Amino acid sequence: DADVTQTPRNRITKTGKRIMLECSQTKGHDRMYWYRQDPGLGLQLIYYSFDVKDINKGEISDGYSVSRQAQAKFSLSLESAIPNQTALYFCATSDPGQGATQYFGPGTRLLVL
Amino acid sequence: GENVEQHPSTLSVQEGDSAVIKCTYSDSASNYFPWYKQELGKRPQLIIDIRSNVGEKKDQRIAVTLNKTAKHFSLHITETQPEDSAVYFCAAIQSWGKLQFGAGTQVVVTP
Repeated sequence: DADVTQTPRNRITKTGKRIMLECSQTKGHDRMYWYRQDPGLGLQLIYYSFDVKDINKGEISDGYSVSRQAQAKFSLSLESAIPNQTALYFCATSDPGQGATQYFGPGTRLLVL
Repeated sequence: GENVEQHPSTLSVQEGDSAVIKCTYSDSASNYFPWYKQELGKRPQLIIDIRSNVGEKKDQRIAVTLNKTAKHFSLHITETQPEDSAVYFCAAIQSWGKLQFGAGTQVVVTP
């Protein structure tokens, strides 16, 4: 879905580095989400935001932080990256007025050495 | 909170046969049940969904059924084709918007 974009698409970093993953959407949705997917596993919710002033922790928020800079932008930061944060990260959006369907970005593949 | 269990974890079917994936949920307040298909290295994409006021929904070769009393829902794929090979995720959501995903089912369609 080209309406939800993520940058970078791939990132290699070293243990201890701080990195930021960015998500932008042109769908006009208020709700945005960050998920993590480990190889062969399902999606785990890291953080979610129902509007610019609303930020909530998900299942696995430890080691992560987020910033909702605007309705269209939701960034995920790894304060001090560690190897077990190597995963595929997805951003998603939804609009409660259009039902609960979530639309996913293309993903960011992160490798922490 | 909501807990969603999905079975089987892997499913191998012959091309042309049917595939069935089953999910159960724990929270009776959940009222929306989407199914996502994820091809290797790509994003999850919605393929079909069902709301709690509906028992069955079809879209060409795929269908979803919901049993609210038993708190389970299923995805049915008929006349499977090689392009149906992917990981399928079920999910359950309450009206306030937080999705809980199942662990996924790897479907392999063999010619």
